[in-house]
Amino acid sequence: DQQVKQNSPSLSVQEGRISILNCDYTNSMFDYFLWYKKYPAEGPTFLISISSIKDKNEDGRFTVFLNKSAKHLSLHIVPSQPGDSAVYFCAASFTGNQFYFGTGTSLTVIP
Amino acid sequence: ETGVTQSPTHLIKTRGQQVTLRCSSQSGHNTVSWYQQALGQGPQFIFQYYREEENGRGNFPPRFSGLQFPNYSSELNVNALELDDSALYLCASEKSGRGYNEQFFGPGTRLTVL
Repeated sequence: DQQVKQNSPSLSVQEGRISILNCDYTNSMFDYFLWYKKYPAEGPTFLISISSIKDKNEDGRFTVFLNKSAKHLSLHIVPSQPGDSAVYFCAASFTGNQFYFGTGTSLTVIP
Repeated sequence: ETGVTQSPTHLIKTRGQQVTLRCSSQSGHNTVSWYQQALGQGPQFIFQYYREEENGRGNFPPRFSGLQFPNYSSELNVNALELDDSALYLCASEKSGRGYNEQFFGPGTRLTVL
């Protein structure tokens, strides 16, 4: 049973525009959410996180929004750069030691 | 570069065999988690070790077992390999403290079971 879902397998965006990656979850017990970025032949790299007590967290070009009532989070990248091209995973946890990952969205930023 | 290394990079085994995958964590990281990532899927939590003791386990059978050593290295052992065990195996280390802690992933070991 997939508790964290990323329904868009891929996304293409022009350089300089906004990239919006979406993630839905089913378990209302989740209280911590993360986004990871993965390049080929490398492990996932932590990008940004958000606690369930917040609805927004910003770090430079990256902003994560959390809508608890809709059980939805999104990652905004503004402006998008070609180096952002990678697979993005969202993950969620309620235990602190077990993270549930989505299936990933492959982002391509076109120069 | 996360400072987490895994070996081997690739491995081919046949059904029924046993395999040991290795992970070297960042110095000072007392917690290691192992994940299985099947093709087209996200990483799935196998188990976590904290100070050499299992500290949580996902929905994986007992033929998946692990060890963590005092020198920040760890192993994932899989017995009686099945075709569905073919996947990328990732380890992630962290320094446990209060609240949630950032996990640092290794590049993974690609296991193919024939």
